[in-house]
Amino acid sequence: QQQVKQSPQSLIVQKGGISIINCAYENTAFDYFPWYQQFPGKGPALLIAIRPDVSEKKEGRFTISFNKSAKQFSLHIMDSQPGDSATYFCAASINDMRFGAGTRLTVKP
Amino acid sequence: NAGVTQTPKFQVLKTGQSMTLQCAQDMNHEYMSWYRQDPGMGLRLIHYSVGAGITDQGEVPNGYNVSRSTTEDFPLRLLSAAPSQTSVYFCASRAERQGAPAFFGQGTRLTVV
Repeated sequence: QQQVKQSPQSLIVQKGGISIINCAYENTAFDYFPWYQQFPGKGPALLIAIRPDVSEKKEGRFTISFNKSAKQFSLHIMDSQPGDSATYFCAASINDMRFGAGTRLTVKP
Repeated sequence: NAGVTQTPKFQVLKTGQSMTLQCAQDMNHEYMSWYRQDPGMGLRLIHYSVGAGITDQGEVPNGYNVSRSTTEDFPLRLLSAAPSQTSVYFCASRAERQGAPAFFGQGTRLTVV
């Protein structure tokens, strides 16, 4: 049973648009919620992360919104660029880290 | 600073063969994990360790063994390879503190024929 559910599976956005990826989790003991970016042939790399006592975190064009009561969090990519085309994974952790199924983002020029 | 190093990068095995995927980190991280990545299924946790001598099962542990004799190394053993174990395997490490990010290796692409 997947502990972190991610949607959509794929996303196509025009350059300059906003990309939104959503995740939901089950275990209320999770205390850390990162997002990872993965390019083909590479390992995932940390993009941005949030703790459950914060409702929003912004780093440049990337924002995490966190809704503790709904057990949901989302990644917003503002002014999406072709270089953002990659697979994005949400995750949640206590001791071990559990990942969503991933979203393949394509930003069209 | 090498970070997390996985070897080999590619491997082809015949059904029933055994092998060990190596993972080493030089960041003195307490936590290490093994994941497999399959299309449409994201990263699924196989085994993890919270320190030398301590290991635990993840979501998909069957067919895999691990041990953690040192802080630096966390090898993954396939006891008798099956075609269902064809996947890309990632090793990750992170510090013990809350909110510590995980650092991933470059992956091992394993094909079992």
